[in-house]
Amino acid sequence: EPEVTQTPSHQVTQMGQEVILRCVPISNHLYFYWYRQILEQKVEFLVSFYNNEISEKSEIFDDQFSVERPDGSNFTLKIRSTKLEDSAMYFCASSPWTVGGYTFGSGTRLTVV
Amino acid sequence: DAKTTQPPSMDCAEGRAANLPCNHSTISGNEYVYWYRQIHSQGPQYIIHGLKNNETNEMASLIITEDRKSSTLILPHATLRDTAVYYCIDQETSGSRLTFGEGTQLTVNP
Repeated sequence: EPEVTQTPSHQVTQMGQEVILRCVPISNHLYFYWYRQILEQKVEFLVSFYNNEISEKSEIFDDQFSVERPDGSNFTLKIRSTKLEDSAMYFCASSPWTVGGYTFGSGTRLTVV
Repeated sequence: DAKTTQPPSMDCAEGRAANLPCNHSTISGNEYVYWYRQIHSQGPQYIIHGLKNNETNEMASLIITEDRKSSTLILPHATLRDTAVYYCIDQETSGSRLTFGEGTQLTVNP
């Protein structure tokens, strides 16, 4: 069964540093997303991406966040200057054009120290 | 905020059917009912979706009331591996955001 792949599985970074989280969505999917989950809290929407541009973003997705699809396969989330409160699990997901479920990756656990 | 309401927790005996309810009091006519689950900090996993008809797949069955104000996810023979948080979500179109609530923690007991 096709999978969404995320790397790395764990990332520890110093406050103020830039991090890039990487995702390989399912190849024939057209929508791509990032969600995050702070420990024991709800899964929160960050951003959706379609046709090489952001289609929707939440209030969490401020100027320190950016997304990119640098080639035909990768989808990245960059956090420019990390804060302690950015520590969370970050999930990438993708979905097809037609109505259907999202496929989520297994997540990257980001720890900002 | 999530538009659906679910009980915070439920228990089920292994091998028995698990019936998870959800209220969709503000669902609109073009919104689908989706169910996902999350097993202990793994990525959420899609289970099933429907618009107004009942649906069944290899994982579960979905019953939607005629007025679409409530739904029930049925796991016909629950196993220990079905222990997870289950979320029902109303979603309008492909590509739109999923708004997760607190979900229902289902615990399947041996």
